[in-house]
Amino acid sequence: DSGVTQTPKHLITATGQRVTLRCSPRSGDLSVYWYQQSLDQGLQFLIQYYNGEERAKGNILERFSAQQFPDLHSELNLSSLELGDSALYFCASSVGGPNYGYTFGSGTRLTVV
Amino acid sequence: LAKTTQPISMDSYEGQEVNITCSHNNIATNDYITWYQQFPSQGPRFIIQGYKTKVTNEVASLFIPADRKSSTLSLPRVSLSDTAVYYCLVGEGSGTASKLTFGTGTRLQVTL
Repeated sequence: DSGVTQTPKHLITATGQRVTLRCSPRSGDLSVYWYQQSLDQGLQFLIQYYNGEERAKGNILERFSAQQFPDLHSELNLSSLELGDSALYFCASSVGGPNYGYTFGSGTRLTVV
Repeated sequence: LAKTTQPISMDSYEGQEVNITCSHNNIATNDYITWYQQFPSQGPRFIIQGYKTKVTNEVASLFIPADRKSSTLSLPRVSLSDTAVYYCLVGEGSGTASKLTFGTGTRLQVTL
C-alpha cells in the first residue's frame, strides 16, 4: 500500500458519458498529480494541484477537469467520453515541487465502450 | 525543460548487475535526478533520487558524474522480479509547481 488511494479501481462506461475519479493523497503530501497511461502513449502528465490550487498543467483535454478539495483529496472529471479515453489513470502525491519523489496510487482503469 | 534519453530495452540474466544509463544534457542547476520502476498495470514506484556523485539505498545505486549530464542506475544481482520498465526523470518546474515527464523508459527483461 503506497498510501495514495484511488477509487474506483475499474470503471466501464459508454461513450458520451461523464465519470469522476477520486484520489486521496498520502498523509502529509500537499501536491496531487494526475497522469493518463494508454497503450500507445505512455504516461502523460495531465495536471497538478498544490494545497487546493492548480500549479501545473499538461496536455489535458478541455473535456477533462480536476480539483483539489480542502481536505486535499482530488477528483478528475472526464466528460463526453470517447473510446480513445480508455486508459489507466494514475494519481500521485508528493510534498510539492519538482525535486521531491512522487508516490503513485494503483490507478483507475477506465474502459469506454 | 530538461529531457532525458535512455535505451529502449535491455536484457539480463538473473544474478547479474544491470546498469542503465540516462542522458540529460540540458539539466538545470537545481534539478535532481529521479528513477522510477513500473510493473504492468501498476503505478510507477520511486527507486532512487540524487543530485551529484553517488547515492545508494537498499535496492539500487545512482551514479552521477561531475557534469551531471548523465546518470547511471545500477541494480545489483537482478532477479526475475526486476523485470519492469525503468524511467529516468529530471525535475521540471519551480517552487511548488512540478510536472515530471515520463519518457518511454527502459524495458528491462531478466531471464534465467
